[in-house]
Amino acid sequence: AQKVTQAQTEISVVEKEDVTLDCVYETRDTTYYLFWYKQPPSGELVFLIRRNSFDEQNEISGRYSWNFQKSTSSFNFTITASQVVDSAVYFCALSGSGTYKYIFGTGTRLKVLA
Amino acid sequence: EAQVTQNPRYLITVTGKKLTVTCSQNMNHEYMSWYRQDPGLGLRQIYYSMNVEVTDKGDVPEGYKVSRKEKRNFPLILESPSPNQTSLYFCASSFFSRGREQYFGPGTRLTVT
Repeated sequence: AQKVTQAQTEISVVEKEDVTLDCVYETRDTTYYLFWYKQPPSGELVFLIRRNSFDEQNEISGRYSWNFQKSTSSFNFTITASQVVDSAVYFCALSGSGTYKYIFGTGTRLKVLA
Repeated sequence: EAQVTQNPRYLITVTGKKLTVTCSQNMNHEYMSWYRQDPGLGLRQIYYSMNVEVTDKGDVPEGYKVSRKEKRNFPLILESPSPNQTSLYFCASSFFSRGREQYFGPGTRLTVT
């Protein structure tokens, strides 16, 4: 069975603070894919990043960075110097090689206050 | 422009009145899927399709039907909607064999009274 846990339901930070969103996953597949999506207040779902299980390199894209650690089954997302435009619900998702399904976490609502 | 479209965007209906939500993508993706989003539950997969005429159940398929007669279209059918199907629905598509990142439609907000 696959499972994705986003234990942080809601986080509030003040603009320019750094914030980390946690994602813990479970899968029996040795090959799998992890994703992060952003859902701004307008409601659309925006793909942010994909990470394959065989690639543990961390990734940085501007103010965004992702820390993938197989040893702890975590795929955490950090926003550096947060901005009001980062306010959104962020979803972590998993798809294992042994399935055609996707499992999403319950999401973390990030509020960045000016 | 590469996109996934859904129609209608908003729908209010009554219990038992059959409805169809359409989904279309122009990216030649072989994989398409439907999700519902409910507060506190995240996104849950309803049905998916690996290709034309190939569909299978996700985690919450009860009360829904799908069909995939053309590669670009994947309609969601509610034959007898009930109030517990009031939700926000998203269609998505991907190159499943090439990285699996999904691209989502704008969502359909359905209210069943």
